[in-house]
Amino acid sequence: GQNIDQPTEMTATEGAIVQINCTYQTSGFNGLFWYQQHAGEAPTFLSYNVLDGLEEKGRFSSFLSRSKGYSYLLLKELQMKDSASYLCAVRASSDYKLSFGAGTTVTVRA
Amino acid sequence: DAGVTQSPTHLIKTRGQQVTLRCSPKSGHDTVSWYQQALGQGPQFIFQYYEEEERQRGNFPDRFSGHQFPNYSSELNVNALLLGDSALYLCASSPGLAEETQYFGPGTRLLVL
Repeated sequence: GQNIDQPTEMTATEGAIVQINCTYQTSGFNGLFWYQQHAGEAPTFLSYNVLDGLEEKGRFSSFLSRSKGYSYLLLKELQMKDSASYLCAVRASSDYKLSFGAGTTVTVRA
Repeated sequence: DAGVTQSPTHLIKTRGQQVTLRCSPKSGHDTVSWYQQALGQGPQFIFQYYEEEERQRGNFPDRFSGHQFPNYSSELNVNALLLGDSALYLCASSPGLAEETQYFGPGTRLLVL
C-alpha cells in the first residue's frame, strides 16, 4: 500500500510563496498528483509528475524526486482565492487507483 | 462540454437504510472511480469501473457495491448504513484505465443519522 504524509496546515501572506511538501512510501510508483479542493467542493487537478524534476504551470509548480519519495507543490504570488486544501496523491504501478494524503489546508491572509 | 455530474447533491438517511448514488462521467470518459472523503481527510478509494466491470477495489466492506452502465454512467450502492458512512462521496472519471488524470464530480454529501 501507500503511506502519504503532508503537513496539516500552512498560513502565508498574499503575494508570498508557499511550498507544500509531500512524502510517500509505496510498493510501486506510477505518478504523483496534486489536487486543489476548496471547502465543500470537488478536488480539481493541478499537476502530474511521473519523472524526476520540476513541472511549471503558471503560478503553480510541482517537483518530484522518486528516489527520495518526495514531492512539493510551490504556489507563487499567492492570492486570496488560493486558500484551499491541497491534496497529494500517488498512483501505484500495480493498479490505477489513487491514494491520497489527508491534505494541507493553506490559508492566505491579506 | 459537461463535466462529471453526480446526484443527489445531499442526502440524509438513517442507520440500516440503503442508498444509491449516481455519477455521469465527463464526455469521452469510460472509466469511473468512486471515493469516500470523511471530514478533514483525503479521499479514500472505494472501487473503479471500466467496461461495466469492477477493476479495482479499495478496503471497503461488501456493503459497498457498484455498477456501470453501457453509457459509462455508474452507481454506488451502500447497504445497512452505519453512522460512520457519513461522508462526501466523490466520483471521478478518466478516458481509460491507464489515463493519468482523473476529473472529479461535485460529490454527494451523505449524512447518516
